[in-house]
Amino acid sequence: GNSVTQMEGPVTLSEEAFLTINCTYTATGYPSLFWYVQYPGEGLQLLLKATKADDKGSNKGFEATYRKETTSFHLEKGSVQVSDSAVYFCALSDYVQGAQKLVFGQGTRLTINP
Amino acid sequence: DGGITQSPKYLFRKEGQNVTLSCEQNLNHDAMYWYRQDPGQGLRLIYYSQIVNDFQKGDIAEGYSVSREKKESFPLTVTSAQKNPTAFYLCASSIDTLRDTQYFGPGTRLTVL
Repeated sequence: GNSVTQMEGPVTLSEEAFLTINCTYTATGYPSLFWYVQYPGEGLQLLLKATKADDKGSNKGFEATYRKETTSFHLEKGSVQVSDSAVYFCALSDYVQGAQKLVFGQGTRLTINP
Repeated sequence: DGGITQSPKYLFRKEGQNVTLSCEQNLNHDAMYWYRQDPGQGLRLIYYSQIVNDFQKGDIAEGYSVSREKKESFPLTVTSAQKNPTAFYLCASSIDTLRDTQYFGPGTRLTVL
């Protein structure tokens, strides 16, 4: 079945560093791809999405490009802030039994030090 | 403000007791979902509902039950048959199950004592 693999965390960076969180997927067809962010003790917030190959999703300085040839959707940010500390989840949409479902990676915990 | 609310934020239960988690949305979304999150793991789908009075099992439905009597409400009952219920439970909704973007509530942390 469809699956998502994220780089293992935790990831610790200094403020203003460059961030990459790797995400690769296995899927039949052409799913939409998502990045969600979870701040401590909270639910998930949609960060960005891409619906087809070569699409770039972007939000709050974060970007990810849907790469069909490498089946990847890596999350990047040029200069991280302490407020970016959170858990980041990569996900894909999976159409099963007449409904779209989300398949999540295991999450990557990011800590940004001042 | 439109959104999804879950209550309570923290819930404690004794072994052998059933407990019901609330999820309400005022987004006028047709589809609603329940997920379970365990430490260091991604989210796993428990149940989903495409429309009122209809719901389907997800990947880990055993020991859980749901109802969908109203469009805006999708309560989850964790029964005594669930062997390891301590977890963080997240409710989500989408416009319908053909649209793939889901919006999440703040979650309920359930602890079995």
